[in-house]
Amino acid sequence: DAGITQSPRYKITETGRQVTLMCHQTWSHSYMFWYRQDLGHGLRLIYYSAAADITDKGEVPDGYVVSRSKTENFPLTLESATRSQTSVYFCASRETSGGLGAFDEQFFGPGTRLTVL
Amino acid sequence: QKEVEQNSGPLSVPEGAIASLNCTYSDRGSQSFFWYRQYSGKSPELIMSIYSNGDKEDGRFTAQLNKASQYVSLLIRDSQPSDSATYLCAVNDAGNNRKLIWGLGTSLAVNP
Repeated sequence: DAGITQSPRYKITETGRQVTLMCHQTWSHSYMFWYRQDLGHGLRLIYYSAAADITDKGEVPDGYVVSRSKTENFPLTLESATRSQTSVYFCASRETSGGLGAFDEQFFGPGTRLTVL
Repeated sequence: QKEVEQNSGPLSVPEGAIASLNCTYSDRGSQSFFWYRQYSGKSPELIMSIYSNGDKEDGRFTAQLNKASQYVSLLIRDSQPSDSATYLCAVNDAGNNRKLIWGLGTSLAVNP
């Protein structure tokens, strides 16, 4: 299927466990992003990647690790899950733009709802 | 701190009316502006993008941009109950064009 997929869609885990959320896109978009969305905070950027093997921290990176060995995949790992990481996680992607303008649109996956007990 | 501000609502309009959603942004260098719609429990979906001052129309949706006032709005004509959702405003971070700055969203309820 074309687009962005995320797995799992729902996950319940316990404090201290390692969890990996998967993101896969079929558009060959250069940029990929991980957001978390919480009531009262909106969408907050965790990490982003401009290309394979290039990643950068976003607004709230602590406690998370990313990798991007292939253009189409961008997994997010919670090394030791905490209750404060209970959230809905969205992966997004966008094409490379030559500058400002038409290629800045980001397209979102369906999300992963993570609960840390 | 770069910010995008939206009235959280809820904005309640009757079916068939015009819904007007507003957004102000602080980064004067921003050049790209987006409206996303998010239904409860779903992911954000892009509905409009605008890059130049003035109006841009797409079906029942019109985006309006005024860079001098750092203001962008979304008008929804002939509102339908299916338009009930949260609308997110996003603008590009002029200091890092790879990122968007997001508002918290405005909740819209269209009443039959």
